[in-house]
Amino acid sequence: GENVEQHPSTLSVQEGDSAVIKCTYSDSASNYFPWYKQELGKRPQLIIDIRSNVGEKKDQRIAVTLNKTAKHFSLHITETQPEDSAVYFCAASKSGTYKYIFGTGTRLKVLA
Amino acid sequence: DARVTQTPRDKVTEMGQEVTMRCQPILGHNTVFWYRQTMMQGLELLAYFRNRAPLDDSGMPKDRFSAEMPDATLATLKIQPSEPRDSAVYFCASGLTGGYRLNTEAFFGQGTRLTVV
Repeated sequence: GENVEQHPSTLSVQEGDSAVIKCTYSDSASNYFPWYKQELGKRPQLIIDIRSNVGEKKDQRIAVTLNKTAKHFSLHITETQPEDSAVYFCAASKSGTYKYIFGTGTRLKVLA
Repeated sequence: DARVTQTPRDKVTEMGQEVTMRCQPILGHNTVFWYRQTMMQGLELLAYFRNRAPLDDSGMPKDRFSAEMPDATLATLKIQPSEPRDSAVYFCASGLTGGYRLNTEAFFGQGTRLTVV
C-alpha cells in the first residue's frame, strides 16, 4: 500500500546550523507533498508544500526539494533558531484519492 | 480566521464507555479526515470523507470505531466500547479537493486528547 518513510526520527542541531529531513514515498502517482510543523501540544500546521511539476521551492529559511525519479523529497531549514524546535511531518497525496499519507515525524531540537 | 473546530478538547473516560468526538470543518471544505496521533505511530489516518461520503475507513478498527458526517458542518468519530489502547490525540482535518482542483493544504483542528482508564 501507500507508504511514506521519514528520516531521521530525531535531529539536534546548533543554533545557526542547517537541518535536513528526508522522506521517501512509494506511490509514483503522488503529486502533492506538504510539510507540517507541530509544536508541543498544538495542531500540525503547513509550513511549505511542493507539487510534482516543480523540483524546488523556497520560502525564506525553508526550502523543499523533490526528486520524482527517486521518489524522494526533503525539507531544508537554514540558519536554525530555537523556535524551529518542533516535530516536522512530511506527507504525500495524489489527485483522485485525496488521501494524505504522513511520515512518522522528525523531532527537531535546536540548541541555543 | 477560518479554523477547524473539535470538541471536546480533553476527554477522560472509563474503559467500556462510549466516546463521541465532534469536528466542524472549515466552511466550504469538501474533504474531512480523521487522524490518530500516538507517540509510536505518528499521524495515523483512520477515515476520510469527500462531499460527506466515506471514501476510506480502512485505518479504523471496525468493531469499535465508527465515523459519520450527518451534514456538511459536522463530522463525528465514535468509539464503543472504548479501551485503554485507544488513548491518543484524535485530529480532524479538512481541505478542498477534487474535480479540476489539485490537492491542497489540509487544515487541522486542535485535537481531542482522549484518555481511557
